[in-house]
Amino acid sequence: DAGVIQSPRHEVTEMGQEVTLRCKPISGHDYLFWYRQTMMRGLELLIYFNNNVPIDDSGMPEDRFSAKMPNASFSTLKIQPSEPRDSAVYFCASSLVLGTNYERYFGPGTRLTVT
Amino acid sequence: KQEVTQIPAALSVPEGENLVLNCSFTDSAIYNLQWFRQDPGKGLTSLLLIQSSQREQTSGRLNASLDKSSGRSTLYIAASQPGDSATYLCAVRMNYGGSQGNLIFGKGTKLSVKP
Repeated sequence: DAGVIQSPRHEVTEMGQEVTLRCKPISGHDYLFWYRQTMMRGLELLIYFNNNVPIDDSGMPEDRFSAKMPNASFSTLKIQPSEPRDSAVYFCASSLVLGTNYERYFGPGTRLTVT
Repeated sequence: KQEVTQIPAALSVPEGENLVLNCSFTDSAIYNLQWFRQDPGKGLTSLLLIQSSQREQTSGRLNASLDKSSGRSTLYIAASQPGDSATYLCAVRMNYGGSQGNLIFGKGTKLSVKP
């Protein structure tokens, strides 16, 4: 398997623009997670899905952030409008509930810079 | 609220040395603990996962221990190599009714192994 795939790897945009980050989880995994990593706050969970259904979005910072998972192999995280403080690395991760393992696999991340 | 702390934030050692990275957590009601490696500009790679009922896990030169009652985990790296240079993060999954989302990360220890 190719692992968790994210695109784009780097995104530079101007304040006020819409940004869409994409993720393809590992085939067969039934959980998908979006994280944000900054120097100040480390890794923070934004939202996660189980079988394409959002389960917990309490980590989504503001209404400017939204996430969808239209099918088992694709998810998006959208920021509209973007602000400089949204600059961070955004990671997607997936996991499979197999026994009691729950091991989580991360994608390479999207580095977002909002100017 | 669970807090995960990793000390030191950065560590530099000469090649060949054995070393220990520390992780502590405030709430012992964890389901499991996972150690990750993050290379610059890359995603997270899972190294070891320890279930709450386990005391340690080993993979090659890596050994992770867990003392749930005292809220501590260590990652032991034997015979360190320059290729081990990376940031090491620990994360705990909470035992809240089977919630998948609650994987709480420390801010990591940045390891540098000098040739």
